[in-house]
Amino acid sequence: AQSVTQPDIHITVSEGASLELRCNYSYGATPYLFWYVQSPGQGLQLLLKYFSGDTLVQGIKGFEAEFKRSQSSFNLRKPSVHWSDAAEYFCALYNFNKFYFGSGTKLNVKP
Amino acid sequence: DAGVIQSPRHEVTEMGQEVTLRCKPISGHNSLFWYRQTMMRGLELLIYFNNNVPIDDSGMPEDRFSAKMPNASFSTLKIQPSEPRDSAVYFCASSFGEPGTDTQYFGPGTRLTVL
Repeated sequence: AQSVTQPDIHITVSEGASLELRCNYSYGATPYLFWYVQSPGQGLQLLLKYFSGDTLVQGIKGFEAEFKRSQSSFNLRKPSVHWSDAAEYFCALYNFNKFYFGSGTKLNVKP
Repeated sequence: DAGVIQSPRHEVTEMGQEVTLRCKPISGHNSLFWYRQTMMRGLELLIYFNNNVPIDDSGMPEDRFSAKMPNASFSTLKIQPSEPRDSAVYFCASSFGEPGTDTQYFGPGTRLTVL
């Protein structure tokens, strides 16, 4: 069965530091993969998505993610975090008319 | 564009009452999604429609929940009878094109409290 795992429930980084949020998926072939961000009291906003091709995907707000088939991972990265990046981040997978969401990672940014 | 519109934004009701949540997708979008978010269970996809037809309703918790999309510009999620464990934030989202690949745009959510 397909699934999405975000192993880190909470992460705290200092402003200006680099960020990597982990996402692992369980699926036999290459799925469609997404990263969403949710600010407090808001709905989700799509950061980026991967379907095929170049395994390094660029998104909005300076985020990028790398698809690694060998590790079944789709980690989200940002070279320098801003205080406004504090939010909850969700990794998601789509295949065969079904969506699967990870449990989310809450990012806290220290001044 | 006004974005996805949900109403009401907040709903407080008593156990056993019927609750109806409403969603107006972005004009021209052909897919609509209903999600539920709680601290305990996280974000769950309840059901989604494509061209007004339900495609996957496997996330609908039980028979007390029902969703309809009578036309391209309106959808409802009904809970009857409501229970305290239904308390959550319910999001509606819409997208254009392929439901799995095109960007979903989320509404602000309806915070439901069942006493």
